[in-house]
Amino acid sequence: KNEVEQSPQNLTAQEGEFITINCSYSVGISALHWLQQHPGGGIVSLFMLSSGKKKHGRLIATINIQEKHSSLHITASHPRDSAVYICAVPRGGAQKLVFGQGTRLTINP
Amino acid sequence: ETGVTQSPTHLIKTRGQQVTLRCSSQSGHNTVSWYQQALGQGPQFIFQYYREEENGRGNFPPRFSGLQFPNYSSELNVNALELDDSALYLCASSLPRDTEAFFGQGTRLTVV
Repeated sequence: KNEVEQSPQNLTAQEGEFITINCSYSVGISALHWLQQHPGGGIVSLFMLSSGKKKHGRLIATINIQEKHSSLHITASHPRDSAVYICAVPRGGAQKLVFGQGTRLTINP
Repeated sequence: ETGVTQSPTHLIKTRGQQVTLRCSSQSGHNTVSWYQQALGQGPQFIFQYYREEENGRGNFPPRFSGLQFPNYSSELNVNALELDDSALYLCASSLPRDTEAFFGQGTRLTVV
């Protein structure tokens, strides 16, 4: 079993829908990262959070440290949100990240 | 744009050859981590450099080696390339504590 598990692996939705991507991890962590990867390959950091909730535009990330679970929500989804969303946790040092397998999100117009 | 640049963006090599990939860190970041991402998989940690010293290594053989320079830029070297080394190689720069990591666009290596 991977240390970081994401669900779903693939998600297709219509423009405007509310999106939720889940991440569960099995180890103690100090923070969790949500990242976005577009088809070109580059990764963009969306959030780093250690408790509670963070919001940036239409993106919201929550984390429950006791339950070892985090969610990424997208409100009013748009085709440009189509990407792979990855959660990652630090292991053995702050920036030695262990990644989930990613969730491929496709938003249709 | 993150300020982390990698070169080259794409590369094709023959099995058995050697390759060097480069990463220029975000200004002020003294920690660089390298990751390998095979097609359809999440990135896997290769190693990390902090102030020119290796600071942790993932499950990769010794033919994967690295360097970090005084300006904190970094190189990843892979010797005796194998077909399975074909992947996207990502570097991420950061400060050493729990801070945001900034990723480059990656180098896509194809071994034929």
